[in-house]
Amino acid sequence: AIVLNQSPSSIIASQGEKVTITCRASSSISSNYLHWYQQKPGAFPKLVIYSTSYRASGVPSRFSGSGSGTSYSFTISRVEAEDVATYYCQQGSSNPYTFGAGTKLELK
Amino acid sequence: EVQLVESGGGLVQPGRSLKLSCAASGFTFSDYYMAWVRQAPTKGLEWVASISYDGGSTYYRDSVKGRFTISRDNAKSSLYLQMDSLRSEDTATYYCTTDNWGLFAYWGQGTLVTVSS
Repeated sequence: AIVLNQSPSSIIASQGEKVTITCRASSSISSNYLHWYQQKPGAFPKLVIYSTSYRASGVPSRFSGSGSGTSYSFTISRVEAEDVATYYCQQGSSNPYTFGAGTKLELK
Repeated sequence: EVQLVESGGGLVQPGRSLKLSCAASGFTFSDYYMAWVRQAPTKGLEWVASISYDGGSTYYRDSVKGRFTISRDNAKSSLYLQMDSLRSEDTATYYCTTDNWGLFAYWGQGTLVTVSS
């Protein structure tokens, strides 16, 4: 199984700050199959970025993604209060599909 | 608007069975692979199983193979997960999702399964 190592496990940021989350895969993944989800407290997960860098419908432009091979990143250019959530990377390249352990974003 | 509504969760004793259902609407159900993803309390997300458009192909994570069965009824736009020989480690919220080549674009609100004596 492809293991996704996500870091950091938690971030405390100020509003307006830029934050970046990294996701490293144990083996190479096509960029078409690396996705990012946002899960707000008490809610179900929501797709934010698909295929490395494409924003899902309705997702603000402050969210972006990049990467290739085994190294991927997710960035919020200017954190807003509504972005408080746990973010997960996920690979759909091979079964079993796997998720990173998550990064919890909190506001200072 | 895409809607996925899970039901069937609850408290069940170890070794017993439970069947989850997911009612889909707002899209052509038979055009999508579907999947179940679970989340143990305070833990991360874990893919459980997927099923092809017509139910002819199914895929499972190793820890549930032989115990869980994913199925669908396209006429009813419904997805199911039959869970047998339940273990305490199966305790989780189970989410119904669309599965587009391993991309989980739409999610239900989840149904909680608690396995405990």
